[in-house]
Amino acid sequence: QSVLTQPPSVSGAPGQRVTISCTGSSSNIGANYDVHWYQQPPGTAPKLLIYGNNNRPSGVPDRFSGSKSDTSASLAITGLQAEDEADYYCQSYDTSLSVVVFGGGTKLTVL
Amino acid sequence: QLQLQESGSGLVKPLQTLSLTCAVSGGSINSADYSWGWIRQPPGKGLEWIGYIYLSGSTFYNPSLKSRVTISVDRSKNQFSLKMNSMTAADTAVYYCVRRGSRDDPFDIWGQGTTVTVSS
Repeated sequence: QSVLTQPPSVSGAPGQRVTISCTGSSSNIGANYDVHWYQQPPGTAPKLLIYGNNNRPSGVPDRFSGSKSDTSASLAITGLQAEDEADYYCQSYDTSLSVVVFGGGTKLTVL
Repeated sequence: QLQLQESGSGLVKPLQTLSLTCAVSGGSINSADYSWGWIRQPPGKGLEWIGYIYLSGSTFYNPSLKSRVTISVDRSKNQFSLKMNSMTAADTAVYYCVRRGSRDDPFDIWGQGTTVTVSS
């Protein structure tokens, strides 16, 4: 069981908007540690998608956005495209466990 | 652009030691601004942080693996390494080497990953 909780799967039609939640606690997200998001297409290594809660690395389309509030964070994807089909992971730090923590991952299916 | 490439033993017998190396190309490992580490992913499962090292020599390990893991840096070869002893089937995974800044920074560069299977 992951310290950060994500829904196992989400889906949406091309062009639609989807969100992926990442729920933590007062010892990680709620302790003011940043949340980062990674995208992992099938058979490939993860790639940094959002850093510092809501910042996009160079080259990441503005269809991807992140937010954080209290003990949770969210990733939003607008204008869904077939190429967005992948696993998505949130990541933060847990001060009680002294460990970098990941969410369990969410599989996005584009219908 | 900086790239990371893992290499090492793909098949390890139970109770033996895993040795992996990550070669850094397109840039230098000699920057105090970054740490260098490892993350693994068992088949069909999520990501697990193993640990990272700063050039100062400071290391930080996942408490659940700390007793079995050593991460080291070879500045002269521009590479860093992972050793994990007492391997079991539960350690079968894809192992990724990664770069990270300090404290709260993300893992911004990943290697392509190398598959490690623990089997007799």
